[in-house]
Amino acid sequence: QITLKESGPTLVKPTQTLTLTCTFSGFSLSTSGVGVGWIRQPPGKALEWVALIYWNEDKRYSPSLKSRLTITKDPSKNQVVLTMTNMDPVDTGTYYCALDQATPGSYWFHPWGQGTLVTVSS
Amino acid sequence: YVLTQPPSVSVAPGQTARITCGGNNIGSKSVHWYQQKPGQAPVVVVYDDSDRPSGIPERFSGSNSGNAATLTISRVEAGDEADYYCQVWDSSSDHRVFGGGTKLTVL
Repeated sequence: QITLKESGPTLVKPTQTLTLTCTFSGFSLSTSGVGVGWIRQPPGKALEWVALIYWNEDKRYSPSLKSRLTITKDPSKNQVVLTMTNMDPVDTGTYYCALDQATPGSYWFHPWGQGTLVTVSS
Repeated sequence: YVLTQPPSVSVAPGQTARITCGGNNIGSKSVHWYQQKPGQAPVVVVYDDSDRPSGIPERFSGSNSGNAATLTISRVEAGDEADYYCQVWDSSSDHRVFGGGTKLTVL
């Protein structure tokens, strides 16, 4: 059974750096083809893809957030870490991590973690 | 790459709901659909245009052609009330893209 779970602070102040951890089980991020992504959702708004890291350390970032993001992995701990600098109240929302599924010609997310709510406020 | 969904769709129980996802030549891409109920994480209900993961009822189906993909929910039930999102892979950038979401209301 594949599971993922997000963890991190529930409250951060504006301008601070957010660090979120995705801890997973049931697969290995050392296996060829595997990727883990982050997706966020402001309250009452749509899903937004944030970042993704592949088994081979390749990384992809949302163009609108790229300058503020770093994604890393620690396969030995079965973890993926997302850092986002210079947090702003508009970054408030639920942050999900998910396993990146590959089918010929496409990628999609399944399963997802339960999500973690991050509030940016002074 | 931009995906456009109607903000809301309403349907009576037992009827058929159709939720569209528009994008430039989206028919050339594989489209995936997620269902998100209040307070829950999204769950994929259709992937690769028309495939269903195990455990998803046959009432959920998908199609994709030209500039629009469609998620069709037959014999709609009250439990289908949720937000639905389409998603594609942008091969030119290796980015994932989500649509703006559609709230399905069961009257």
